[in-house]
Amino acid sequence: KQEVTQIPAALSVPEGENLVLNCSFTDSAIYNLQWFRQDPGKGLTSLLLIQSSQREQTSGRLNASLDKSSGRSTLYIAASQPGDSATYLCAVRPSINPQETSGSRLTFGEGTQLTVNP
Amino acid sequence: SQTIHQWPATLVQPVGSPLSLECTVEGTSNPNLYWYRQAAGRGLQLLFYSVGIGQISSEVPQNLSASRPQDRQFILSSKKLLLSDSGFYLCAWSSGTGSFYGYTFGSGTRLTVV
Repeated sequence: KQEVTQIPAALSVPEGENLVLNCSFTDSAIYNLQWFRQDPGKGLTSLLLIQSSQREQTSGRLNASLDKSSGRSTLYIAASQPGDSATYLCAVRPSINPQETSGSRLTFGEGTQLTVNP
Repeated sequence: SQTIHQWPATLVQPVGSPLSLECTVEGTSNPNLYWYRQAAGRGLQLLFYSVGIGQISSEVPQNLSASRPQDRQFILSSKKLLLSDSGFYLCAWSSGTGSFYGYTFGSGTRLTVV
């Protein structure tokens, strides 16, 4: 059974710092890994999606890397801003047979609650 | 472009009352659809998923049920709510095969059972 762990559970940093959020998973047979952001009381917003064949993805100040063999992904946030304050979740999707009809369920980590102080 | 709508945004219901939460997807066909619940201070728990009309799979035994009467409509229901049904409910979709583009989530429904 896939298990996803995110470290740290909470992080508080001053504005402007570069920071790294960690995600680890126990089963390396994944199809892709997705990073989400969740603001309090809101739904999940997709940030970056990394396919199993990729090493990293970048979007603006965000960079996500994937080391499938070691079961790790990191989300790097450059020059953090107070608006980056949110909970960040990573989720992995298992490798599937294209004919499988299991719905390709995601397994989520518990999230890292980030606070960026002005 | 694809969009996902979920309503209502908040709901306060008494114990024992029925529940109906609705989710619709636009701009795609034959999506995989999912209902997740997020309890306070906990991660996301997959409740139901559907790969087609009338096809529902349940992940955990519970007081809830799901239905998919149309290709892009997913409904979460209960006949009698329990206090433990309180939580944040999220609907999501992914493409029917491959999910190369990942999951997209709705804005969520905050359910409080009193």
